[in-house]
Amino acid sequence: DVKVTQSSRYLVKRTGEKVFLECVQDMDHENMFWYRQDPGLGLRLIYFSYDVKMKEKGDIPEGYSVSREKKERFSLILESASTNQTSMYLCASSHRYEQYFGPGTRLTVT
Amino acid sequence: AQSVAQPEDQVNVAEGNPLTVKCTYSVSGNPYLFWYVQYPNRGLQFLLKYITGDNLVKGSYGFEAEFNKSQTSFHLKKPSALVSDSALYFCAVPWGCAGNMLTFGGGTRLMVKP
Repeated sequence: DVKVTQSSRYLVKRTGEKVFLECVQDMDHENMFWYRQDPGLGLRLIYFSYDVKMKEKGDIPEGYSVSREKKERFSLILESASTNQTSMYLCASSHRYEQYFGPGTRLTVT
Repeated sequence: AQSVAQPEDQVNVAEGNPLTVKCTYSVSGNPYLFWYVQYPNRGLQFLLKYITGDNLVKGSYGFEAEFNKSQTSFHLKKPSALVSDSALYFCAVPWGCAGNMLTFGGGTRLMVKP
């Protein structure tokens, strides 16, 4: 069965902290994605990666960076967390059209 | 640019009644269209997709969607709603050189009341 896992379901961090969100997929997919989900705004793409060490900016990359050192793992990094980064973060992977999502990490920055 | 719109933030329906969640699209060429569902405290799950062919697409959990080219719509439907259908529903359109990217609508919350 397809599986995308995220390291934390809930996370509370302080303003200015460096935050790491980890995502692992077991489907050998080339493509991986990070979205943030906010009420009324749907899902907005932060970054995506189509291969190891390859990354592309999405619609809202400001304040974020990513790392993909291994095919199965895609990390989202908040270099200096701010309160406007409080959100639900969703990771996904895909081979073609259909994306498979992790359960999400609800991040609160205080 | 490819885009989809979901005009309703919330849809309320009584259990046993038919439900419709609306989606309209703006794409160039022949559209591919998707529906995803997000149950509380869960990630998004794929429901169904339209690629080509029959305008009525059947998906998971008894859902279906009707592709209408003249109205540029792809509405999600179910003949008889269940309380357990209460969730957040997203319409999406793929883009990019291999269709790997998805643009999502804003989401519609479906509330089914007993």
